[in-house]
Amino acid sequence: QSALTQPASVSGSPGQSITISCTGTSSDVGGYNYVSWYQQYPGKAPKLIFYDVTNRPSGVSSRFSGSKSGNTASLTISGLQAEDEADYFCSSYASSATPYVFGTGTKVTVL
Amino acid sequence: QVQLVQSGAEVKKPGASVKVSCKASGYTFTDYYMHWVRQAPGQGLEWMGVINPRAGSISYAQKFQGRVTMTRDTSTSTVYMELTSLTSEDTAVYYCARVIPYSAHWFDPWGQGTLVTVSS
Repeated sequence: QSALTQPASVSGSPGQSITISCTGTSSDVGGYNYVSWYQQYPGKAPKLIFYDVTNRPSGVSSRFSGSKSGNTASLTISGLQAEDEADYFCSSYASSATPYVFGTGTKVTVL
Repeated sequence: QVQLVQSGAEVKKPGASVKVSCKASGYTFTDYYMHWVRQAPGQGLEWMGVINPRAGSISYAQKFQGRVTMTRDTSTSTVYMELTSLTSEDTAVYYCARVIPYSAHWFDPWGQGTLVTVSS
């Protein structure tokens, strides 16, 4: 099972909006609405920020939003803030011997 | 609050084994599955397997079959992950992460991670 494809880096200025894509196949992202997103600061554990494509856990900023079209899921951060500078990973349930696959990760830089 | 606290960093020689623990608190231990995920330096995340603490049933990623063993101790609310025949490619941070059984496919929360370094 191959990793989901994410851009290595995305950057934006404070206040701008950025979108991180997560591309898989019909066996994972495209086949299920089970995409989740994680935020990870250096040296820290990942933190869940979205689940089932569009659901935001309580306590996560409404500036984060999720969507999916075909085999590609997306995470949008609006009103970019300095605290959003981190690594972001997507994950999807998959119909394979390895039921969970992760994205390659995207480093978000706030300029 | 829900917490997963993992054991400390380990340094192992090639060919050795390592056993990482993950102690859960703040919820009913047997009500949630526990997964293990690893992250090699500068790399992405990799799913290793899952244990059902209630039944003790397990499922491993094919890549780790024969080298990984996941167990649990319900008396201490702790799960363990043992990886054998270590090579330098097993150098990574190993995380435990909780998942709601049957209906959920997201990991929340995660343990703080355990760095395993394999070096001669």
